[in-house]
Amino acid sequence: EVQLLESGGGLVQPGGSLRLSCSASGFTFSSYAMTWVRQAPGKGLEWVSGISHSGGSTYYADSVKGRLTISRDNPKNTLYLQMNSLRAEDTAVYYCAKGRDAYNLYWFDPWGQGTLVTVSS
Amino acid sequence: QSALTQPASVSGSPGQSITISCTGTSSDVGGYNYVSWYQQHPGKAPKLMIYEVSNRPLGVSNRFSGSKSGKTASLTISGLQAEDEADYYCSSYTSSNTPHVVFGGGTKLTVL
Repeated sequence: EVQLLESGGGLVQPGGSLRLSCSASGFTFSSYAMTWVRQAPGKGLEWVSGISHSGGSTYYADSVKGRLTISRDNPKNTLYLQMNSLRAEDTAVYYCAKGRDAYNLYWFDPWGQGTLVTVSS
Repeated sequence: QSALTQPASVSGSPGQSITISCTGTSSDVGGYNYVSWYQQHPGKAPKLMIYEVSNRPLGVSNRFSGSKSGKTASLTISGLQAEDEADYYCSSYTSSNTPHVVFGGGTKLTVL
């Protein structure tokens, strides 16, 4: 069974940093692109970032470019999201999800259960 | 403002059919057959229901179907059941440099 398990969320002050992790199992992690999608409380889904199977290509939404960094460790079957210079508007549940194939992020299946990041003083 | 436009809410009675629309532009919905639909129950992660406009993943009921005409994609749920009550989001690949993927604002489906 394909499973994704996020961790690393929590309460952080504005301007602070946090690193999210997504542990994958049940599939060949190194063969698939991966993505992060977030959902602010009571709001809709917002695509945040994506990465190709090897990590050679990365993509970011304008709202996070320069502050959030996606990366992966294929031997450890783990996806990361390094979050710096956090703002109140970054408060959300962050989901990791598996892409369609090695390069394409056309759709996402499955999704992890999410981890909550709260940016507040 | 979401990149794709969905109705905020739709409703239907058990056994009926409903359709949720998702309108974009020629840079996303209208330009590519990479529209997907996700179901999200309260407090749960989204679940893929339709990919590439009209394909159902294994395990998704055939009561769910997708289509596209021009810049508008649609999700139809037939034979409504109480368990279908949830939020539904459409998504599309976009040729805009960023973002890479765009979502609709979501539609709350109420089963009366």
